[in-house]
Amino acid sequence: NAGVMQNPRHLVRRRGQEARLRCSPMKGHSHVYWYRQLPEEGLKFMVYLQKENIIDESGMPKERFSAEFPKEGPSILRIQQVVRGDSAAYFCASSPQGRADYGYTFGSGTRLTVV
Amino acid sequence: AQKITQTQPGMFVQEKEAVTLDCTYDTSDPSYGLFWYKQPSSGEMIFLIYQGSYDQQNATEGRYSLNFQKARKSANLVISASQLGDSAMYFCAMRVLTGGGNKLTFGTGTQLKVEL
Repeated sequence: NAGVMQNPRHLVRRRGQEARLRCSPMKGHSHVYWYRQLPEEGLKFMVYLQKENIIDESGMPKERFSAEFPKEGPSILRIQQVVRGDSAAYFCASSPQGRADYGYTFGSGTRLTVV
Repeated sequence: AQKITQTQPGMFVQEKEAVTLDCTYDTSDPSYGLFWYKQPSSGEMIFLIYQGSYDQQNATEGRYSLNFQKARKSANLVISASQLGDSAMYFCAMRVLTGGGNKLTFGTGTQLKVEL
């Protein structure tokens, strides 16, 4: 019964490259969330997705960032033309449908370093 | 808008003692949930405990309990009988349940260090 799987754990990109972060939710979970944690800060909400639908992207930067959760396969957070300020830990979480009291299950995160 | 405030950037506690980590929140919505997470140095986020705004009793999970004072809008985490493995960053978070989507709003965290 695997938890939320994120890969890669660490990702190094040069400025201007693209970063792709993957997240496979827990089995039976249909809701996926992405959060970003800058150094010395708490987690900030980015986007909430269900299969083939973006439900809430109010925390996503307007440019360069996109997310998807296709019918088959993992959820992908894509950052185009990365800049140094994108260096952070990116966490994915999942929850079952309709469980408002559920504390999410978080993945171990992807640490993105832009050099 | 929702806001979570954790005013203690760092706390020290001796092994086997109890420690309280403070959390206050702000929301105008009557339906909300409060969460505590632990983030050890390895970086993963571990869910500890949940309290619903309509729950009559304070939540408890093993050595963790949540001191919920609704009128004061506080949701402090109490860890009893601290262990060295409790050394970590602790985050308080809130989810508004009506019209607030499903997102969690996090505080800035408290770094707890358990000493011998």
